[in-house]
Amino acid sequence: EAAVTQSPRSKVAVTGGKVTLSCHQTNNHDYMYWYRQDTGHGLRLIHYSYVADSTEKGDIPDGYKASRPSQENFSLILELASLSQTAVYFCASSDTGAVNTLYFGAGTRLSVL
Amino acid sequence: QQKVQQSPESLSVPEGGMASLNCTSSDRNFQYFWWYRQHSGEGPKALMSIFSDGDKKEGRFTAHLNKASLHVSLHIRDSQPSDSALYFCAASEPGGSNAKLTFGKGTKLSVKS
Repeated sequence: EAAVTQSPRSKVAVTGGKVTLSCHQTNNHDYMYWYRQDTGHGLRLIHYSYVADSTEKGDIPDGYKASRPSQENFSLILELASLSQTAVYFCASSDTGAVNTLYFGAGTRLSVL
Repeated sequence: QQKVQQSPESLSVPEGGMASLNCTSSDRNFQYFWWYRQHSGEGPKALMSIFSDGDKKEGRFTAHLNKASLHVSLHIRDSQPSDSALYFCAASEPGGSNAKLTFGKGTKLSVKS
């Protein structure tokens, strides 16, 4: 079974502070993704990456940065956290960019106060 | 407008009963569909995909796709309490990418024992 591990599992941040969410996969997958889940909105893609040291914008990238220092690791960075960024964040990986199975981590619940 | 719409928002069925979930796309280019299931406190997990008209059966789960009406359904027979979860429908264009996968808002299924 593919393994995607996220840390931390939950975090409380202050408005205006910097937040870094981390994701590690052991699937040897090239593609990694960051999604945001809000009640009533389903899953929305923030950033994704298909190779180390390169990231791409998804559907809702504003207010977020991403970093892919290696094939295994993908981080989501909130430079200036805002109340509206309170949500559950999921990292996922897939072996190719073509539509196929996404393997999700367990999520990080972020509360910005 | 939400391109992938799911109904009902929530559903309750007795243990052993049949659960039927619906998904419709408003984009005629969306012809590939996926079902993901998310248990509370976990990340989504792929259940099955369907790309051709007709039925696809995997164990207790049957997906039905009608491309003409852009409608896909998921039927769970002999529902178990462990089936209680949030079910997402996701859609894409044929030959599309995971980065362009569009998720619905989800249907919350409760199976009562």
